[in-house]
Amino acid sequence: QQQVKQSPQSLIVQKGGISIINCAYENTAFDYFPWYQQFPGKGPALLIAIRPDVSEKKEGRFTISFNKSAKQFSLHIMDSQPGDSATYFCAASLSGSARQLTFGSGTQLTVLP
Amino acid sequence: DAMVIQNPRYQVTQFGKPVTLSCSQTLNHNVMYWYQQKSSQAPKLLFHYYDKDFNNEADTPDNFQSRRPNTSFCFLDIRSPGLGDAAMYLCATSRDEGTGLEKLFFGSGTQLSVL
Repeated sequence: QQQVKQSPQSLIVQKGGISIINCAYENTAFDYFPWYQQFPGKGPALLIAIRPDVSEKKEGRFTISFNKSAKQFSLHIMDSQPGDSATYFCAASLSGSARQLTFGSGTQLTVLP
Repeated sequence: DAMVIQNPRYQVTQFGKPVTLSCSQTLNHNVMYWYQQKSSQAPKLLFHYYDKDFNNEADTPDNFQSRRPNTSFCFLDIRSPGLGDAAMYLCATSRDEGTGLEKLFFGSGTQLSVL
């Protein structure tokens, strides 16, 4: 019940295209859903996050869509760029606490020039 | 810039030889974490310190220990490294302010090889 399932495992997109990564969870007590971006040889960094009281959050080219009834959320990267090539992890947290964070398995995104 | 610093960047040790990885932070965050990340996998939480209180994950092997002598520093000790312990070890911090919007700040990691 603590799992967060993430798909796809890998994604290849052409420059300028839309990248979509999906996550699903079971535990309805989760109340904070961050996305972390990790470049090779670096630690993950927070990209964008959403609380379940909103259905969408947008920051620049990055948008989280949240469907509370379906227990799903997704990351959309508009106008994908080669610099977006990285591994993306969705996560879910209880009480918004970083100490109770569950990561998805990750999606390796490659944006072709 | 305030940050989370891990040393060394790469560490090679021998099977069974104790090794210590270090982490320091200038963020003055009250929570520090150690994660293990194997290739193409998500980070796996080993343990964390909330201030001086140590919190071990249930499935963290006894072979892994940690010390936090002060707010800024945290160490990961692997007492008898096995081949399966080769991984990237990530230190992270967060500030527990009760806002429910806590963000993890990660270091760049230490890549551990076990020969």
